[in-house]
Amino acid sequence: EAQVTQNPRYLITVTGKKLTVTCSQNMNHEYMSWYRQDPGLGLRQIYYSMNVEVTDKGDVPEGYKVSRKEKRNFPLILESPSPNQTSLYFCASSLCSGTERAGDSYNEQFFGPGTRLTVL
Amino acid sequence: AQKVTQAQTEISVVEKEDVTLDCVYETRDTTYYLFWYKQPPSGELVFLIRRNSFDEQNEISGRYSWNFQKSTSSFNFTITASQVVDSAVYFCALTNAGGTSYGKLTFGQGTILTVHP
Repeated sequence: EAQVTQNPRYLITVTGKKLTVTCSQNMNHEYMSWYRQDPGLGLRQIYYSMNVEVTDKGDVPEGYKVSRKEKRNFPLILESPSPNQTSLYFCASSLCSGTERAGDSYNEQFFGPGTRLTVL
Repeated sequence: AQKVTQAQTEISVVEKEDVTLDCVYETRDTTYYLFWYKQPPSGELVFLIRRNSFDEQNEISGRYSWNFQKSTSSFNFTITASQVVDSAVYFCALTNAGGTSYGKLTFGQGTILTVHP
């Protein structure tokens, strides 16, 4: 079954304790991305990756790191979590076909089930 | 910079009513994509539609329809004859197709739709 998986689904931790949220997709998608969802703010993009070893900052990258060593995995790392990083996190992937020059297509993103993180 | 505004924070309707969710966007690019996603109470995000900036045709899918108007930078979503199962948070999103912001997806704040029986 084609899917995006995230682990853990729920995590309660304390300030400063490094953590990693894993994300894996089995659809051979080039593009992967992380978002956080907060009430009244919608989803905000943290980091994204167009392909292996290619990552870029989204709108709210502070306090987060990512890596893309393999196509299927895109872990989100919080080196020193703080309470303001308490949020619902979503990983997403999509197929990137073409470039602006080719005039084609930016495909819809498939989202993981979400990880609810609480930092005390 | 790109921006998506969903001015309606919450909408409450009674079953069988029609409801329109507004989405207004800002972008400097001429080539871009717009999306709608649904987030039911279970929390997952479900893709509903994608529209590129060159295609201004309205689209209908069952009870759902979308009205894309470049002149007003709007991409509104209408549910006809709403049902309780339509209760969810709906997000509009925008991405540019190229340039330095390629790959950045900007979401609106979301509209909470509650359909009462």
